[in-house]
Amino acid sequence: QVQLKESGPGLVQPSQTLSLTCTVSGFSLTSNSVHWVRQPPGKGLEWMGGIWGDGSTDYNSALKSRLSISRDTSKSQVFLKMNSLQTDDTAIYFCTRSRTGRNWFAYWGQGTLVTVSS
Amino acid sequence: DIQMTQSPASLSASLGETVTIECRASEDIYNGLAWYQQKPGKSPQLLIYNANSLHTGVPSRFSGSGSGTQYSLKINSLQSEDVASYFCQQYYDYPPLTFGSGTKLEIK
Repeated sequence: QVQLKESGPGLVQPSQTLSLTCTVSGFSLTSNSVHWVRQPPGKGLEWMGGIWGDGSTDYNSALKSRLSISRDTSKSQVFLKMNSLQTDDTAIYFCTRSRTGRNWFAYWGQGTLVTVSS
Repeated sequence: DIQMTQSPASLSASLGETVTIECRASEDIYNGLAWYQQKPGKSPQLLIYNANSLHTGVPSRFSGSGSGTQYSLKINSLQSEDVASYFCQQYYDYPPLTFGSGTKLEIK
């Protein structure tokens, strides 16, 4: 069955870089896309960006200068790197899957809380 | 970018009631709209896609409608397990994919 699971540090210092991994199973990264969505505590959902089946990427313009999404298809993993973290980047970070041409999200990871604090 | 305006921000209703949540897009999104339910401490769960198609396993008391820039999610016969936050998402025009600000539903 389709599964996604986020992993990474729970605490990041201000101005440092966040690195998260989404490990997937039950589907191919070359025929599906994986996106990152974040949610500050008690607030709404923000699409950060995604990597499509062909390996191309799209980003939220508000984050584009700080954000990079990549993948390793041999390991079924998608990576998020975001630099220059500030306290308002504190959020739950989710990875989620969409199918080619169907950009809604039927499968989500459990999410991982990242706190930006010194 | 397409902006999604969702209303109301919060809603309190009695068990068995019918509730409606609305999303307005800043331009025509041609039914490229999904609805999600998120319970506290959990990931969002897909309810509706293509504005009115019920996702597999979602109870039939949930329904979606609308066209153009105006869309709604209706929950018939409200149950206690429907207490959650609800979000709309447009996927007609991207990037970016954009979400509404959410509606928190409580039981009176």
